[in-house]
Amino acid sequence: ETGVTQTPRHLVMGMTNKKSLKCEQHLGHNAMYWYKQSAKKPLELMFVYSLEERVENNSVPSRFSPECPNSSHLFLHLHTLQPEDSALYLCASSQGGGIRVDTQYFGPGTRLTVL
Amino acid sequence: GEDVEQSLFLSVREGDSSVINCTYTDSSSTYLYWYKQEPGAGLQLLTYIFSNMDMKQDQRLTVLLNKKDKHLSLRIADTQTGDSAIYFCAIPGPGNTPLVFGKGTRLSVIA
Repeated sequence: ETGVTQTPRHLVMGMTNKKSLKCEQHLGHNAMYWYKQSAKKPLELMFVYSLEERVENNSVPSRFSPECPNSSHLFLHLHTLQPEDSALYLCASSQGGGIRVDTQYFGPGTRLTVL
Repeated sequence: GEDVEQSLFLSVREGDSSVINCTYTDSSSTYLYWYKQEPGAGLQLLTYIFSNMDMKQDQRLTVLLNKKDKHLSLRIADTQTGDSAIYFCAIPGPGNTPLVFGKGTRLSVIA
């Protein structure tokens, strides 16, 4: 596979469920990102990892928990979500090792619906 | 912080040119981006321009940058139905902050 992949592509969960979103990049990049895209807001940056360390967390609620076990994989663990968390969750990667601006390449996204 | 504005909708006839505009409040000296999002898909990097350039042309795409007015535009020549998508401009914030995206412009191409 090439580029940035995300699984699952669609997820429906109840408010009491625990689930995880997975992102994998095959580009040899050092930084990975989670974004939330909802109908009413611009793309919101949630988390940035650089060289497997979290470098930015934009005041995201604790019901979202990221994990970056290595530079190729990024997870977003979800628990006790709210219906307003329903959105498209996009993963991206870039070459840079810091949070300096690099060209970001996006995955196809996971469409999450919280019932 | 950085504020990036785009008009939300644009409708053009097939074969005409489309111009999508973006304004921003601040930017570091680096690349400015245009991304395309087709229905049900993630964001696809379309093109970019370095901040010391005024114009960049790439086949049917022309990017214009007016740094004085903080205005970025994307022109699509001979617009096709396959160009129907949402187009996002993405501007780096001041300093070393990550990209800030506009809300996206939904381009509809009428056959």
